Amino acid sequence: EVQLVESGGGLVKPGGSLRLSCAASGFTFSSYSMNWVRQAPGKGLEWVSSISSSSSYIYYADSVKGRFTISRDNAKNSLYLQMNSLRAEDTAVYYCARSGLTSWGYWGQGTLVTVSS
Amino acid sequence: DIQMTQSPSSLSASVGDRVTITCQASQDISNYLNWYQQKPGKAPKLLIYDASNLETGVPSRFSGSGSGTDFTFTISSLQPEDIATYYCQQYDNLYTFGQGTKLEIK
Repeated sequence: EVQLVESGGGLVKPGGSLRLSCAASGFTFSSYSMNWVRQAPGKGLEWVSSISSSSSYIYYADSVKGRFTISRDNAKNSLYLQMNSLRAEDTAVYYCARSGLTSWGYWGQGTLVTVSS
Repeated sequence: DIQMTQSPSSLSASVGDRVTITCQASQDISNYLNWYQQKPGKAPKLLIYDASNLETGVPSRFSGSGSGTDFTFTISSLQPEDIATYYCQQYDNLYTFGQGTKLEIK
């Protein structure tokens, strides 16, 4: 069974940093591109970042470019999101999602990041 | 950047009704569109991929159509368990979600 479990969320002050993790199991992690998506409280879904299976291709939304860094460790079946210079508007539930051929069929349960003083 | 305009933003319908949601892309995206369902407090769930293909295990009352810039998502006969927010997603150029349609029972 495919499982994606996010962790690392919490309360952080504006300007602070946080590292999210997504532990994958039930599939060959190294064969799939992975993604981060966020959802601010009461708002819609926003794509954040994507990384190819071998980390050769990395993409970011303009809203996080230069502040967030996506990475993965295929040996540990894990996906990461390093978030620096956090702002109040980064407050959201962050989901990791596995890319299929054309769609994202598997998502984690999400981890809440709150940026507040 | 490709913008996705989804409408309506909210919709109230009765059990058994036919429900239609539209999604318009700011440029031609061929059939590079997916539809997701999200229930409160839960992760999104894939329903339709490549504009019109039903994901395995998803009830056949859900369907999608369209290509180019205009897309439609339909529930043929609304069930109580369909209460959720629905999102379209383009994957022609990176990824963009529509604003969502919150579906409620009348």
